[in-house]
Amino acid sequence: SQKIEQNSEALNIQEGKTATLTCNYTNYSPAYLQWYRQDPGRGPVFLLLIRENEKEKRKERLKVTFDTTLKQSLFHITASQPADSATYLCALDRSSSNTGKLIFGQGTTLQVKP
Amino acid sequence: NAGVTQTPKFQVLKTGQSMTLQCAQDMNHEYMSWYRQDPGMGLRLIHYSVGAGITDQGEVPNGYNVSRSTTEDFPLRLLSAAPSQTSVYFCASSPTGGAGYGYTFGSGTRLTVV
Repeated sequence: SQKIEQNSEALNIQEGKTATLTCNYTNYSPAYLQWYRQDPGRGPVFLLLIRENEKEKRKERLKVTFDTTLKQSLFHITASQPADSATYLCALDRSSSNTGKLIFGQGTTLQVKP
Repeated sequence: NAGVTQTPKFQVLKTGQSMTLQCAQDMNHEYMSWYRQDPGMGLRLIHYSVGAGITDQGEVPNGYNVSRSTTEDFPLRLLSAAPSQTSVYFCASSPTGGAGYGYTFGSGTRLTVV
């Protein structure tokens, strides 16, 4: 079955630097991959979606890459700010098509220090 | 535009009691899902629906029932609460499943079963 691996160790970086988070999956290539942000005590908030035929997607200071050969997605936050501190989750479909049933990684906590 | 509304926000149940977690969305989304989030386990899919009258099981459906009589509402029923069901429950909705749009999550219901 499909599994997602995100670095469980917290990522600590200095304000202004670029944060890079990794999401690896183990089985078939998904039709898409999504990234969410979750703050303590809140529900996840959708950030970006990248489809299997896209290598890169950008939104303001966020960039996502998708490498189906490496079975990996990278999530970048440029010019990071303390307000970016949160847990970031990646998610993909449970099948290689679009069933809408998502599998989530456990998330990586990002701490941006001023 | 309220998005996804979950009630209650907090609930304490005794083992064996039943209850219904409410979820309503006002965005006319077809896809709706229920997840539970436990420390170290990430978000796990309980049940989901692709439209009124259509539901399907997710990864951890045992002990839970759902129905979808309207597009707006997707209640989750705990039949006989067990301590293992202590968790934070999130409802989410999407217009078309994961390939086109991300999911909008509610703020969660924190359930404790004693």
